[in-house]
Amino acid sequence: EPEVTQTPSHQVTQMGQEVILRCVPISNHLYFYWYRQILGQKVEFLVSFYNNEISEKSEIFDDQFSVERPDGSNFTLKIRSTKLEDSAMYFCASSEGYSNQPQHFGDGTRLSIL
Amino acid sequence: QKEVEQDPGPLSVPEGAIVSLNCTYSNSAFQYFMWYRQYSRKGPELLMYTYSSGNKEDGRFTAQVDKSSKYISLFIRDSQPSDSATYLCAMGPGANSKLTFGKGITLSVRP
Repeated sequence: EPEVTQTPSHQVTQMGQEVILRCVPISNHLYFYWYRQILGQKVEFLVSFYNNEISEKSEIFDDQFSVERPDGSNFTLKIRSTKLEDSAMYFCASSEGYSNQPQHFGDGTRLSIL
Repeated sequence: QKEVEQDPGPLSVPEGAIVSLNCTYSNSAFQYFMWYRQYSRKGPELLMYTYSSGNKEDGRFTAQVDKSSKYISLFIRDSQPSDSATYLCAMGPGANSKLTFGKGITLSVRP
């Protein structure tokens, strides 16, 4: 069964450094998403992306964050200057975009900021 | 009032029990409802989704939505030890919109 894949599974970065998290959505899907889950807290929406532009973003998704679909298969989340509070699990998701089909999630990247 | 509230856990049941997991919500714009299962260090795995009031059944799982009461439930029949996981409710205005999640409830099914 097709799945969303994310790399790396664990990323350790010094505070202030840039980090790029990578995702390969399911191949025929048109909508892409990033969510995060801080340890012990709810899964929170960050951003959705459709037709090569952001369709919706949360208040968490400030100028330090950006998303890109650099080619036909990858979808990336960049954090420009990481802070300690960016430490979390980051989940990528994708959906077909029609027929009310749901969002499917990857297994996440655990981001640890030192 | 939080947008989505999920019954706190953890919940421990014997194998074979019927499990009821519940969420309430306050946002009338929510029309699309999902249940995800999450194992430790894994992503949310889709269990069921629905966008209408009433019941939807899939094997041992039944999802129930009551939009008038803003209440959703997931029932698990004949629970198995392999059902032990964290269960997340999620909802949004539509399938391709921002999802708002409950905090999750950890279920343990004892053999």
